[in-house]
Amino acid sequence: EAGVAQSPRYKIIEKRQSVAFWCNPISGHATLYWYQQILGQGPKLLIQFQNNGVVDDSQLPKDRFSAERLKGVDSTLKIQPAKLEDSAVYLCASSPGLAGADTQYFGPGTRLTVL
Amino acid sequence: AQRVTQPEKLLSVFKGAPVELKCNYSYSGSPELFWYVQYSRQRLQLLLRHISRESIKGFTADLNKGETSFHLKKPFAQEEDSAMYYCAPREGSNDYKLSFGAGTTVTVRA
Repeated sequence: EAGVAQSPRYKIIEKRQSVAFWCNPISGHATLYWYQQILGQGPKLLIQFQNNGVVDDSQLPKDRFSAERLKGVDSTLKIQPAKLEDSAVYLCASSPGLAGADTQYFGPGTRLTVL
Repeated sequence: AQRVTQPEKLLSVFKGAPVELKCNYSYSGSPELFWYVQYSRQRLQLLLRHISRESIKGFTADLNKGETSFHLKKPFAQEEDSAMYYCAPREGSNDYKLSFGAGTTVTVRA
């Protein structure tokens, strides 16, 4: 089966610019996650969707970050405006079941550099 | 606050030697525990979960509730085990949020 797809793989922007990342989960997976991984740290959950509803966005900086999962399939994560500290790898993951109780399958990530 | 600690950032062992990656957690209740691995140029993937009680690629991990630890062990390390390893506890009740440790980079030398 095809894995989780993410694009772009790399993005370089200047601070205060906007950026968007796209994720296509494994077909049929109900739960989708966005993680932020800063260099030297483990991934940190930003937001979790179950179908097209938000389950957990407690660690999403809502003043600048937004995410949506229209139709319960693809998802986009947006940063507007970007700050230097947003430089990180943004990982998308999906899992088959509801409530996130299953194994998570990760995409290749998008490496964001904010100058 | 709930925390997961991987005290070693880097671990270097010779091929054929035992390897142990430490993980300590501070969670209330009975969390589920996982080890995820990322090989060079590959995606982050599940290595094993404690409820399975199985050995994957020669690795085992024992949950010690008394010490709140979930150390990952392999008796004879191989060069292909060189990777980044993350310990990840998850609350099992209403909150299925997975929390990752900072990771340990393992290098197995020939």
